[in-house]
Amino acid sequence: QKEVEQDPGPLSVPEGAIVSLNCTYSNSAFQYFMWYRQYSRKGPELLMYTYSSGNKEDGRFTAQVDKSSKYISLFIRDSQPSDSATYLCAMSDGSSASKIIFGSGTRLSIRP
Amino acid sequence: DTAVSQTPKYLVTQMGNDKSIKCEQNLGHDTMYWYKQDSKKFLKIMFSYNNKELIINETVPNRFSPKSPDKAHLNLHINSLELGDSAVYFCASSQDSGSGNTIYFGEGSWLTVV
Repeated sequence: QKEVEQDPGPLSVPEGAIVSLNCTYSNSAFQYFMWYRQYSRKGPELLMYTYSSGNKEDGRFTAQVDKSSKYISLFIRDSQPSDSATYLCAMSDGSSASKIIFGSGTRLSIRP
Repeated sequence: DTAVSQTPKYLVTQMGNDKSIKCEQNLGHDTMYWYKQDSKKFLKIMFSYNNKELIINETVPNRFSPKSPDKAHLNLHINSLELGDSAVYFCASSQDSGSGNTIYFGEGSWLTVV
């Protein structure tokens, strides 16, 4: 079993829809959880960063962590065509930035 | 003003050749990394440098060698290129190697070995 599992998609939704992206993980030591957005032919950029369990909101984006289920989610409200990208979850146990484990990414397409 | 810049962006080369990818960061960060992203989008760390010292080397073939002339630069040299080396290579940096640090990525170098 991979440490971090993420559905590769592709996921296609109409503009304005609420999008839910998810990752599961197996290592209960993970404490830091991140979501990166990667546009085509670009590098990943940090979108959301949470520590431990709970919710974090930033504009149209909400990150949710459920450590008891080893499950994290990213919600995008009022999705826009500019949100079309690959979204990678990432997590670490906090020992080192170099120990961050990335999911394989979910390709998201927002139809105008 | 690009924070992490790497060159070249695209590189097509023949098997057996030796090539280099250069990376520079202007964020004043102490730690730099090289990641490899394969065709299935998995991002795997290859090397991490903290203040010019190698602090992690994730079992990559010794044909790959990182070179850091100073803490703002981390170049990747690849000898005797093989078909399986075709991938996207990302340079990245973070404030330091400690936990909780944000990693900033460059735009990637697309390497194709033919």
